[in-house]
Amino acid sequence: GAGVSQSPSNKVTEKGKDVELRCDPISGHTALYWYRQRLGQGLEFLIYFQGNSAPDKSGLPSDRFSAERTGESVSTLTIQRTQQEDSAVYLCASSLRVGTLAKNIQYFGAGTRLSVL
Amino acid sequence: SQKIEQNSEALNIQEGKTATLTCNYTNYSPAYLQWYRQDPGRGPVFLLLIRENEKEKRKERLKVTFDTTLKQSLFHITASQPADSATYLCALEGSSYKLIFGSGTRLLVRP
Repeated sequence: GAGVSQSPSNKVTEKGKDVELRCDPISGHTALYWYRQRLGQGLEFLIYFQGNSAPDKSGLPSDRFSAERTGESVSTLTIQRTQQEDSAVYLCASSLRVGTLAKNIQYFGAGTRLSVL
Repeated sequence: SQKIEQNSEALNIQEGKTATLTCNYTNYSPAYLQWYRQDPGRGPVFLLLIRENEKEKRKERLKVTFDTTLKQSLFHITASQPADSATYLCALEGSSYKLIFGSGTRLLVRP
């Protein structure tokens, strides 16, 4: 597609429910990143994929968070048993590839705003 | 530990003036540094990349400097306009090729 697409744009859920957030990267981009941004805060790295493997998942806050990616396309971030502190904007970005100078320029989606009541 | 610092206080300037934003880092030896712009309710948008062997990079009214001795990058917007009002983020490549973002500085340009 023309840009990174995330869905849903907004998600309201009840505490304890599971949620799935979806990211469609730019076609041809092999690297895909998930970030969390709390209100008024900076970007918090969660996980990144190179192809469908995740070399670095060090930012996932707990085992309630998981992510997967199919090939070099869609990724889903799943949060199980949501808590109120999970409320934030979840941003996805893609880049052409990692490890190559100037190719780690990241293109972001508009994010999914998650509200846990 | 690795750290990126940007001024958390908003920078408030008059239209037409030059805005200067600072990004300091510790315990990195980055090959390059990136600057992004983020508007409310949107994802960040890439602006400029500067490599370690480049002292300065320009793009239209934007200028970025990179001092690897001081471990600092300065981001300048000349002839600022109200439309330049946004949050500006710097980013460095950390371990395993992931980008680490600073928390950003909010710029407000008054008409």
